[in-house]
Amino acid sequence: AQSVTQPDIHITVSEGASLELRCNYSYGATPYLFWYVQSPGQGLQLLLKYFSGDTLVQGIKGFEAEFKRSQSSFNLRKPSVHWSDAAEYFCAVGAFNQAGTALIFGKGTTLSVSS
Amino acid sequence: GAVVSQHPSRVICKSGTSVKIECRSLDFQATTMFWYRQFPKQSLMLMATSNEGSKATYEQGVEKDKFLINHASLTLSTLTVTSAHPEDSSFYICSARGPGGGYGYTFGSGTRLTVV
Repeated sequence: AQSVTQPDIHITVSEGASLELRCNYSYGATPYLFWYVQSPGQGLQLLLKYFSGDTLVQGIKGFEAEFKRSQSSFNLRKPSVHWSDAAEYFCAVGAFNQAGTALIFGKGTTLSVSS
Repeated sequence: GAVVSQHPSRVICKSGTSVKIECRSLDFQATTMFWYRQFPKQSLMLMATSNEGSKATYEQGVEKDKFLINHASLTLSTLTVTSAHPEDSSFYICSARGPGGGYGYTFGSGTRLTVV
C-alpha cells in the first residue's frame, strides 16, 4: 500500500538558517509527489509537486524539493527561513484507488522559527 | 487559479443532530472530490472519493451511513455527518480535481465541527 513517512515531527530553525524537511514514500510506480503547507485552522496550500522530468522542483515562497528514486525520498528545502514559514508541512503521494487518484499524506512536520 | 469554497468554516451542533458541509468549485468542474478528516495536530485521513453522478467510494473503517457524501453536480459536493456525536468533532477538508486531473488538487479551507 502507498504510504508517506515524515520522520521529523517537529523542527525548530533559526530565522535565516537553511531548512530541510524529510519525506520518504512507498509506491510501486513512478509517484506523484506533493508538498503542502498548512497554517493553524486553515486549509492546505500547495508548495510544489513532482510528476515527472527534472528531479529538482521549484515551488512557491522559495521552496524546492528533490526527487530521489533510489532513496524513495522527496525532501523539501529552503535556503533561508523566514518567521512566516512557521507552519505545518505535509508531504503527500498520489495513490490510485478504484474511484480516482487520491492524495495520501504523511503525518506532517511542525516547523517553528526562532529569532 | 482554481478555487474551492468550503462552508461553513465552523459549526457547533448538538449530539444527535446532522450537519451538512458544502464544497463548491468556483471556476472549474470538479469531476472528482475527496473528503478528508484531520484530528488535532495530526495528518489528513482520506475518508472517501466521489465522482460526479456516482456513489462515493469510502475508505476502510469509514461508516458510509454516518458520513453521507453527495456529488450530484460538477461544482458541488456535500458531506453530511448524521447523528453526530462528540467523537465526530474534527476538522473536515475537501479536495477537488477537474476532468483528466486538471487543476491538480485544490483544497477547501476546511470546516471545524464541534459536537456538544
